[in-house]
Amino acid sequence: EDQVTQSPEALRLQEGESSSLNCSYTVSGLRGLFWYRQDPGKGPEFLFTLYSAGEEKEKERLKATLTKKESFLHITAPKPEDSATYLCAVQAGQGGSEKLVFGKGTKLTVNP
Amino acid sequence: DTEVTQTPKHLVMGMTNKKSLKCEQHMGHRAMYWYKQKAKKPPELMFVYSYEKLSINESVPSRFSPECPNSSLLNLHLHALQPEDSALYLCASSLGTSGIGETQYFGPGTRLLVL
Repeated sequence: EDQVTQSPEALRLQEGESSSLNCSYTVSGLRGLFWYRQDPGKGPEFLFTLYSAGEEKEKERLKATLTKKESFLHITAPKPEDSATYLCAVQAGQGGSEKLVFGKGTKLTVNP
Repeated sequence: DTEVTQTPKHLVMGMTNKKSLKCEQHMGHRAMYWYKQKAKKPPELMFVYSYEKLSINESVPSRFSPECPNSSLLNLHLHALQPEDSALYLCASSLGTSGIGETQYFGPGTRLLVL
């Protein structure tokens, strides 16, 4: 069974204090790994899609990396507005299976 | 433009009511999804429509009835819901090519409260 585990569950940072969120996965045939940001009561906002080990993508203060077993979301010099829950999800298996398997998320709080 | 819209934003209904949630996208996507999200939990897949045909039903109770009138619209009809069905209902869409991992774009959600 496909599994996604995110750590830590919650993370508190001071503004400007860089850190990383982890997403480890166990799947058969990874087709894509996705990072989303979700604010309370709102829908997940797409951040990155990664397809193969070694791939990296960046957007403003965020950088996502992928290995064969895990992905990291690096946050450089975070600001209070980066506070949100960050969700990792994977899509695996044969073509035609559109199901996303989500981790439980990491709740990030950035204090000014 | 990667916008998925959902109406209404909030809905309060009794257990005997019938209501519908609506979702719309104009990105030319051919796959559309309904998810249910309880507080402090990740989204859980309910239904997938691919080219207007139901392709995945995650054993959802029959009091939830999806409908895909065309490639841009997705409805979720609600009838005789239970209080435990109160949640954030999310719609998403993706290209629908079923090849490499496809990015799903989510709408803002409908906050449903069943009394």
